[in-house]
Amino acid sequence: KQEVTQIPAALSVPEGENLVLNCSFTDSAIYNLQWFRQDPGKGLTSLLLIQSSQREQTSGRLNASLDKSSGRSTLYIAASQPGDSATYLCAVQMTTDSWGKLQFGAGTQVVVTP
Amino acid sequence: DVKVTQSSRYLVKRTGEKVFLECVQDMDHENMFWYRQDPGLGLRLIYFSYDVKMKEKGDIPEGYSVSREKKERFSLILESASTNQTSMYLCASSSSGGADYGYTFGSGTRLTVV
Repeated sequence: KQEVTQIPAALSVPEGENLVLNCSFTDSAIYNLQWFRQDPGKGLTSLLLIQSSQREQTSGRLNASLDKSSGRSTLYIAASQPGDSATYLCAVQMTTDSWGKLQFGAGTQVVVTP
Repeated sequence: DVKVTQSSRYLVKRTGEKVFLECVQDMDHENMFWYRQDPGLGLRLIYFSYDVKMKEKGDIPEGYSVSREKKERFSLILESASTNQTSMYLCASSSSGGADYGYTFGSGTRLTVV
């Protein structure tokens, strides 16, 4: 059974510092991996999707890497801002799943202090 | 701007009531999903649908049912609401296989059962 883990559960950094968020998974037979952002009391916003054949994806200040063989993905957020404060979740879709179901990590809660 | 719309942001219902949570997407996506999110437990899949009138149980289907009469609409039904169903409910959709476009989530419905 796939297990998705995000460590740390919470993180506080001063504004301007780079953020590094980690996601690990136990079964490397993934179809893709996605990173989401969730603001308090809100739904999830998709940030980046990495196909299993890709090594990384970039969008603005965000960069996500994927190392399938070691079961890890890292989300980098450059030059953090207070508006980056949110919970970040990673999720994987398995190759054995035909319907696109995702398995989520528990998330990392990020606070960026001014 | 593509959207998944959940009809209510907040709901308060009484124990034993039949509760309907509605979700509509405008992206012509084949797949739709209902998750619940609880502190410490993360997101758990309740039901999903891969086509009109087709449905599959997720990880925690007990006490719930679903309806998908039209491609754009996916309803979650709590047959007889109980206090342990107090939670944040999130609807999502994806294109078939979830490969190209990832997931789009609604804003969530915070349900309180009293």
